[in-house]
Amino acid sequence: DIQLTQSPSFLSASVGDRVTITCRASQGISTYLAWYQQKPGKAPKLLIYGTSTLQSGVPSTFSGSGSGTEFTLTISSLQPEDFATYYCQQLNAYPITFGQGTRLQIK
Amino acid sequence: EVQLVESGGGLVQPGGSLRLSCAASGFTFSEHYMDWVRQAPGKGLEWVGRIRNKANSYTTEYAASVRGRFSISRDDSENSLYLQMNNLKPEDTALYYCSRRTYGHNSPSDYWGQGTLVTVSS
Repeated sequence: DIQLTQSPSFLSASVGDRVTITCRASQGISTYLAWYQQKPGKAPKLLIYGTSTLQSGVPSTFSGSGSGTEFTLTISSLQPEDFATYYCQQLNAYPITFGQGTRLQIK
Repeated sequence: EVQLVESGGGLVQPGGSLRLSCAASGFTFSEHYMDWVRQAPGKGLEWVGRIRNKANSYTTEYAASVRGRFSISRDDSENSLYLQMNNLKPEDTALYYCSRRTYGHNSPSDYWGQGTLVTVSS
């Protein structure tokens, strides 16, 4: 199975900060990586797919990059509504796997 | 508007069975692959399995943790997705989400239901 390791697991930041979350795959997954945002009591929301394609309706403050085994999600200027948990997901091979999550908290 | 509504969750004893349903509306259900994803209380997301569309013979894939115990099916005439869960274990306790895959074999899930809670306990 392809393991995805996100870092950091917890991140404390302030409104307006630029933050980056990393997702490392145990083997190459081409660009078949997606990012989701989940708020407490809510279903996950697709943010980015294909490593860097922004899902419709997602603010341009979100961006993704990477290839192979290392990927990043960047939020260029944190907004109050961005404080949530973020998951990466690989779609290159079965079983599909998720990272363990990164909880982004307000400092 | 795309909507996915799960139902069928509840409390079940270890070794028991449960069938979850997901009612889809607002899109051409028959065209899309569909997934089940679960989330144990306070934990992360775990992919459970996938069913492809008719054009891909309704084939299925499962996580190792559920293979042989869970079965995914669909009824395109009813716009419904199902998850048959047998021989349930306490570690299957989770909120179960159905999700719609966008087009393509490597596509992500762009719409999710709100989930149905399954609790496995004696």
